Amino acid sequence: KAGVTQTPRYLIKTRGQQVTLSCSPISGHRSVSWYQQTPGQGLQFLFEYFSETQRNKGNFPGRFSGRQFSNSRSEMNVSTLELGDSALYLCASSLLTGQVYGYTFGSGTRLTVV
Amino acid sequence: KNEVEQSPQNLTAQEGEFITINCSYSVGISALHWLQQHPGGGIVSLFMLSSGKKKHGRLIATINIQEKHSSLHITASHPRDSAVYICAVGSYNTDKLIFGTGTRLQVFP
Repeated sequence: KAGVTQTPRYLIKTRGQQVTLSCSPISGHRSVSWYQQTPGQGLQFLFEYFSETQRNKGNFPGRFSGRQFSNSRSEMNVSTLELGDSALYLCASSLLTGQVYGYTFGSGTRLTVV
Repeated sequence: KNEVEQSPQNLTAQEGEFITINCSYSVGISALHWLQQHPGGGIVSLFMLSSGKKKHGRLIATINIQEKHSSLHITASHPRDSAVYICAVGSYNTDKLIFGTGTRLQVFP
């Protein structure tokens, strides 16, 4: 079966712009969570969606937002990009909750802000 | 102090050696996850543990809930095992994972 698909794989944006990243979970998975990975901070939890509702949120500014659609696909948006937003953004999907069913991760979107 | 600590940060081994990576955590958890990340970024989930021990091929993961400690062992290491291994924990009713800083493993032929 198809894995978790993240698009695009690579993205270059200018400071002040906004960006939207997409994550298509494994068919049947209803939970999608997002993570940011930087050399300085490592992997950090951004937010998690389940059945179109944000279930948990990490400690990121309001410029970071997300949503989930009825087919469980999820998008995250970063507005007013800063240089420090350059990172690998990963999403993971789970059947209901990763703490019981485990996670499947996507390959990530590498965002560079110049 | 980080809520999830991993050691060592870097590990170099010769092919065939037995590898151990350790993870200690200070929060209550419902599950602990061992992840593998190759260059290029994609993450593969290796194990999810809430108690005891799990084995998959040459990989073994153990967890001691009372001591809040987990280990990942690789038997008969191979150059293809070279990757970053990351420990992550999550608590009940949340998919908010807390990650360790990772252990970079290099296995030489």
